[in-house]
Amino acid sequence: EPEVTQTPSHQVTQMGQEVILRCVPISNHLYFYWYRQILGQKVEFLVSFYNNEISEKSEIFDDQFSVERPDGSNFTLKIRSTKLEDSAMYFCASSELPSGANNEQFFGPGTRLTVL
Amino acid sequence: GNSVTQMEGPVTLSEEAFLTINCTYTATGYPSLFWYVQYPGEGLQLLLKATKADDKGSNKGFEATYRKETTSFHLEKGSVQVSDSAVYFCALSDSNYQLIWGAGTKLIIKP
Repeated sequence: EPEVTQTPSHQVTQMGQEVILRCVPISNHLYFYWYRQILGQKVEFLVSFYNNEISEKSEIFDDQFSVERPDGSNFTLKIRSTKLEDSAMYFCASSELPSGANNEQFFGPGTRLTVL
Repeated sequence: GNSVTQMEGPVTLSEEAFLTINCTYTATGYPSLFWYVQYPGEGLQLLLKATKADDKGSNKGFEATYRKETTSFHLEKGSVQVSDSAVYFCALSDSNYQLIWGAGTKLIIKP
């Protein structure tokens, strides 16, 4: 069964460093998303991406964040200068059609980012 | 704005007990409603969904009915197992591209 994959599973970085989190969405999906979950808190939407551009982003997704689809398979989230409060589990998701059209978002297993 | 409210956990039950996890929502328009489950150390998995009023989603013995009049989507299971121990998230999807999540309810099932 096709699945969303994410690498690495755990990333430890120093405050102020850049990190890139990688995701490989399901191959025939066209819509891609990033969410984050700070330990013990609710899942929060960061950004959605379609046709090589951002469709929607939340207040969390400020200038320190960027997303890219550098090739036909990868979807990346970059944090330019990490802060302690960026420590969280980051989930990538993809869907065949927009979620507003009742299509399921399939989630990857997540990357746990720890900023020291 | 749109929001989802879930009952606080943890919810602790004995095996074979009846489960209800409450979820209510606030939304404009006609959202789709979802329950996701997160097993220890794993990612988010869709458990069930309902796309319009009075729809019932079901999977693995779990059920939830989309109630527009009470703006609710409560999760139920008639007889829980130890393997159901996980965190359960209620979420909605409106006309935008994002899922809006409840805080999650941790379920602990004791043998």
